[in-house]
Amino acid sequence: DQQVKQNSPSLSVQEGRISILNCDYTNSMFDYFLWYKKYPAEGPTFLISISSIKDKNEDGRFTVFLNKSAKHLSLHIVPSQPGDSAVYFCAASPSSEGTYKYIFGTGTRLKVLA
Amino acid sequence: DAGITQSPRHKVTETGTPVTLRCHQTENHRYMYWYRQDPGHGLRLIHYSYGVKDTDKGEVSDGYSVSRSKTEDFLLTLESATSSQTSVYFCAISRSYEQYFGPGTRLTVT
Repeated sequence: DQQVKQNSPSLSVQEGRISILNCDYTNSMFDYFLWYKKYPAEGPTFLISISSIKDKNEDGRFTVFLNKSAKHLSLHIVPSQPGDSAVYFCAASPSSEGTYKYIFGTGTRLKVLA
Repeated sequence: DAGITQSPRHKVTETGTPVTLRCHQTENHRYMYWYRQDPGHGLRLIHYSYGVKDTDKGEVSDGYSVSRSKTEDFLLTLESATSSQTSVYFCAISRSYEQYFGPGTRLTVT
């Protein structure tokens, strides 16, 4: 059973518009959440994080929203740029004393059209 | 850039042979992780380390072992490689609860 789900395998967005990537999880013990961007033949690049004590975190064009009651998080990219075209992964982990064992979603491929 | 290198970057090996992948970090992080990435599965945790000589199993540890004799190096060994271990392997370190990944090793078992 998948504890972290990214139900949209792909998404196309026009340059300059907002991209919204979604992630759902089932384990109420998850307290830490990460988003990554991945280009082919490269390692995942960390984008932004959020812990369960917050419902929003912003970093430049990237904002992550967390809805704990719905067990849902989303990544907003505004404005979208062609260089944002990549596969995006969300990941979730329960609290721990230093060791974070993240469960990853299967990814959403974002295509930003010029 | 988290100062993580992985070697080799590409490897082709035959079924039944032993293989060791190396992860090296330059920032003295205590926690290190090995993941594999396969189509349709995202990334899955194989093993992790919380200090020198301190390691534990992850979600998909069968067929893999790890060792950490120095803070900077975390080795992943496939004792007898199988075709199901064809994958891309990523090493990661933790800074607080954020994880940062290396460039990956593409392993093909024929």
